[in-house]
Formats: sequence, C-alpha cells, structure tokens
Amino acid sequence: DTEVTQTPKHLVMGMTNKKSLKCEQHMGHRAMYWYKQKAKKPPELMFVYSYEKLSINESVPSRFSPECPNSSLLNLHLHALQPEDSALYLCASSQEQGAVYGYTFGSGTRLTVV
Amino acid sequence: QQQVKQSPQSLIVQKGGISIINCAYENTAFDYFPWYQQFPGKGPALLIAIRPDVSEKKEGRFTISFNKSAKQFSLHIMDSQPGDSATYFCAASIDQAGTALIFGKGTTLSVSS
Repeated sequence: DTEVTQTPKHLVMGMTNKKSLKCEQHMGHRAMYWYKQKAKKPPELMFVYSYEKLSINESVPSRFSPECPNSSLLNLHLHALQPEDSALYLCASSQEQGAVYGYTFGSGTRLTVV
Repeated sequence: QQQVKQSPQSLIVQKGGISIINCAYENTAFDYFPWYQQFPGKGPALLIAIRPDVSEKKEGRFTISFNKSAKQFSLHIMDSQPGDSATYFCAASIDQAGTALIFGKGTTLSVSS
C-alpha cells in the first residue's frame, strides 16, 4: 500500500459545528503532516508529527486540533471554524521527518465553512 | 529569506515543445530542492529533486538544472504532452534541520495538442 487515504473527500460545516478529518497510511512512515491549500496557492504547513509526537505547530489557531492516535493515523479536529478556513486540507507522510524523504500526499478533504 | 520565488505563474506550451519553469531562493542553508506536480482534485506528487552538489539531474523527460552561485534552479519538461498539464511547485528545505518544505507559488502548465 503506497497511498495516503483521507476522509471525507468533501465536508460542509457550519461555524458552530465540530467535525474531524481523518488521514491514514500503511507505509510504515513515521512522520505525518497537515497542510492547508487555498485555491491557486501552494500548500501551507500546519502541523508535523514525528513518531506520534507533535513536532511542529506553525502557529495554527486553536480551533484546529491535531491528534495522532497511532503511527498510521492522523486526525484533525475542527471546531468553531470561520468561512476563511474553507480550503483543501492535505495530509502527507514521509519515512522520517524531513522533506528529503519525499512526501506522499493524500488527495485531500475539500472543506467548506458556511 | 525563507521564500522561494517561482516564475512564470502560468505557461502555455505546444505539444512536443519544451516547458521551462524557474525558481530562485535566498537562504543558502537550503540543501534540498524538489519539484512537485499537482493535478486538479489531487494532492501534490514528488516529481524530481536535486541537491546543491549536483548541477543537473534528469529523469525521463524531466530535468532539473541547478545554479548554486546564482541561487536558481529550473525544471525543464522535454517533449511536453497534454498529460503534463498540471500545476508545478518548486520547493526547498534544510535537510539537517528536518524542516518542512517551503513551496514556491506554483506554475500552471497547459500543453495544447
């Protein structure tokens, strides 16, 4: 299995809702990443997990809460989002933390906040 | 100094032509330079990457040229095909620090048949 699987593919949520994004990989990768991508923009790093521990938080607002329950699974919990948070949320993984290992990206979750 | 500047923003090339995308950086600590390809509705995928101790790397129709003194690198797509139509991102990182990628703003390539 050489894929990163993200669910759901699409999500519409109200500003008072709580939802979660899920990311799964079975490549034995020990680093996992959350990126946010707005239309026609590059991906922006949000969080990095290495060996299931939070390694990097790019000053992301607390309404985004990451969780890494095990080495194969990464969640992003969403609460009280704003319309400007609407974007494509990408999960990626790599063998170890570091771009040199090459990131494998999922196809993303298209999030719309209404 | 953490930026990677990419040009052009968009590019139209005839089928069979050469596509050239350029990137420039300021931080001399960067030591890993990948290119990612992204199709609509998909996540980016690693295409090819280079280290600064090499001036050129070729994989099939894709070539990275690297100019360390000018702090520039470029992607050349030879014999461009309609299936190459996608958004291309150059990027850079500092390997020793295990830092995440700094992406350029992207180039949308359209190859016309």
